Amino acid sequence: EVQLVQSGVEAKKPGQSLKISCKGSRYSFTNYWIAWVRQMPGKGLEWMGIIWPGDSDTRYWPSFQGQVTISADKSIDTAYLQWSSLKASDTAVYYCLARDPRNYYFDYWGQGTLVTVSS
Amino acid sequence: QSALTQPRSVSGSPGQSVTISCTGTSSDIGGYNYVSWYQQHPGKAPKLMISDVNKRPSGVPDRFSGSKSGNTASLTISGLQAEDEADYHCCSFAGSYTLYVFGTGTKVTVL
Repeated sequence: EVQLVQSGVEAKKPGQSLKISCKGSRYSFTNYWIAWVRQMPGKGLEWMGIIWPGDSDTRYWPSFQGQVTISADKSIDTAYLQWSSLKASDTAVYYCLARDPRNYYFDYWGQGTLVTVSS
Repeated sequence: QSALTQPRSVSGSPGQSVTISCTGTSSDIGGYNYVSWYQQHPGKAPKLMISDVNKRPSGVPDRFSGSKSGNTASLTISGLQAEDEADYHCCSFAGSYTLYVFGTGTKVTVL
């Protein structure tokens, strides 16, 4: 079964950069869409962006365009979400998700990465 | 694109049925039969419970069912059990430009 394993908890200061990862296994990494979702403390889920690892075709939801960068390294079956300058409002849990292109739902989720940004 | 509207909370006693609504527009829920529902226990990643409006993935109990009418989708939990206490999020495909939109989330409490 598809498995997504995310990198660990991060504690950063405002203005610092950060790159978190999502490693896929037990499936063809280049043949599933990978999306990133934010969940702020006590809040709902928000779409951030989606990437096709096969050719790195990437789409961003409007609220996150220019705020984050999504990338993938298909040689190591890993997708990334990165910030160049974190803000306190980036404090959240971030999930990566995988979608079979034949479907319109996301049945595979990573365990989540907690990012805390505080001075 | 605004989030889909869900009630903040619903509750029921064990054995009862509860229904969670998810209201969107003709550009998302009303335009496609691609509504999915996710269950999330505290501190855990969401889990797919319903896909394509009313399809249950393997392993999901049949007390979970989904439906849609117009711009509103619904998730019904029949025979409520203690382990069903969680947050539930709806999601709809919204076309090739917007792609997907989540609901605001609903907390289900088992009394």
